[in-house]
Amino acid sequence: GENVEQHPSTLSVQEGDSAVIKCTYSDSASNYFPWYKQELGKGPQLIIDIRSNVGEKKDQRIAVTLNKTAKHFSLHITETQPEDSAVYFCAASNGNRDDKIIFGKGTRLHILP
Amino acid sequence: DGGITQSPKYLFRKEGQNVTLSCEQNLNHDAMYWYRQDPGQGLRLIYYSQIVNDFQKGDIAEGYSVSREKKESFPLTVTSAQKNPTAFYLCASSQGRPQHFGDGTRLSIL
Repeated sequence: GENVEQHPSTLSVQEGDSAVIKCTYSDSASNYFPWYKQELGKGPQLIIDIRSNVGEKKDQRIAVTLNKTAKHFSLHITETQPEDSAVYFCAASNGNRDDKIIFGKGTRLHILP
Repeated sequence: DGGITQSPKYLFRKEGQNVTLSCEQNLNHDAMYWYRQDPGQGLRLIYYSQIVNDFQKGDIAEGYSVSREKKESFPLTVTSAQKNPTAFYLCASSQGRPQHFGDGTRLSIL
């Protein structure tokens, strides 16, 4: 079955700098890759997603890149702000009928003042 | 507002007791999911339901049970057979992609 590895587990960056979180997946049939942000005591919220027919997608300060050949995808946050502090999860799914999503173990992002 | 409501936010279980976590959605989504989240871990799938009156086991179904009698409701029962139930439980729903999550129920053992 699918396995998703996420790195790093913890990341600290100065406010205003960029943050990059990387994920790899094992199932070449995976074709949908969402990213979720989870704040303390809350459920995960979708922040951006990408499908396998696209190599890059951007939404304001957030971008995701996908390399299907290498089976890895990354989240890029530019001009980080204090409200970006949270846990971020990458995930992958294969689009089968059950559409099960496999999550990485998460990255705790700290934005330092 | 449309969304997913999980209740209660905090729940305590005594040894040998079954407890039921509620999940209600008004998004008119066909599919609903239950995940378990432990510290430092990703989300692990317990059960999911693609349609009313049908559900399938996920990766860690042992010690849990569900029902899907109504489209908007997908309650999860944590039975006494689940020996390590302390965790944060998340419910999600979807109509295709992506999945949308509720704000979770934190279950603890007394």
